[in-house]
Amino acid sequence: GNSVTQMEGPVTLSEEAFLTINCTYTATGYPSLFWYVQYPGEGLQLLLKATKADDKGSNKGFEATYRKETTSFHLEKGSVQVSDSAVYFCALTNAGNNRKLIWGLGTSLAVNP
Amino acid sequence: ETGVTQSPTHLIKTRGQQVTLRCSSQSGHNTVSWYQQALGQGPQFIFQYYREEENGRGNFPPRFSGLQFPNYSSELNVNALELDDSALYLCASSYTGEGTEKLFFGSGTQLSVL
Repeated sequence: GNSVTQMEGPVTLSEEAFLTINCTYTATGYPSLFWYVQYPGEGLQLLLKATKADDKGSNKGFEATYRKETTSFHLEKGSVQVSDSAVYFCALTNAGNNRKLIWGLGTSLAVNP
Repeated sequence: ETGVTQSPTHLIKTRGQQVTLRCSSQSGHNTVSWYQQALGQGPQFIFQYYREEENGRGNFPPRFSGLQFPNYSSELNVNALELDDSALYLCASSYTGEGTEKLFFGSGTQLSVL
């Protein structure tokens, strides 16, 4: 079945550090891949997405590239800020599968000033 | 602000009771999905409703049921509550037909079962 595996947290970084959160997936067919972010006390928000191999999703300085050969969708940011502190979820959905999202466990990020 | 509102924000129930959670979808959205997020876990898909009919279900027992109304608002009902039902319940709305997979999530209802 479909599944998503994320690196375990928590991740603690200093402001302006480089961030990588690893995400790998198992899926049949050609899934769409997503990163969602959950800020403290708020609901999940779509951060970025990619719908086909080699697509790069980007938003707010975050990037992730859909790598079919390594079944990965790692999240990166060159210089994190304190305001990036949140829980990040990698997820996938197969087209036509009622948009049912399959989620990773989430990775908590804390950025210290 | 996603335009998806859930109520109540917090709820405490005892084992064996029944609970109804509510979701108001973003204007123009015809599809609503419900997810359960246990502490420290990713969300788990419960079910989805499209045009008032169930349109997919995850691995949850029948005591989890739902409704979608003509105005596209939705309810999640859970009967015979168990301690393990304690979780954050998330509602997400979307528009089926645009070819987009963007979901808009509410802030969730935190359910505690004692």
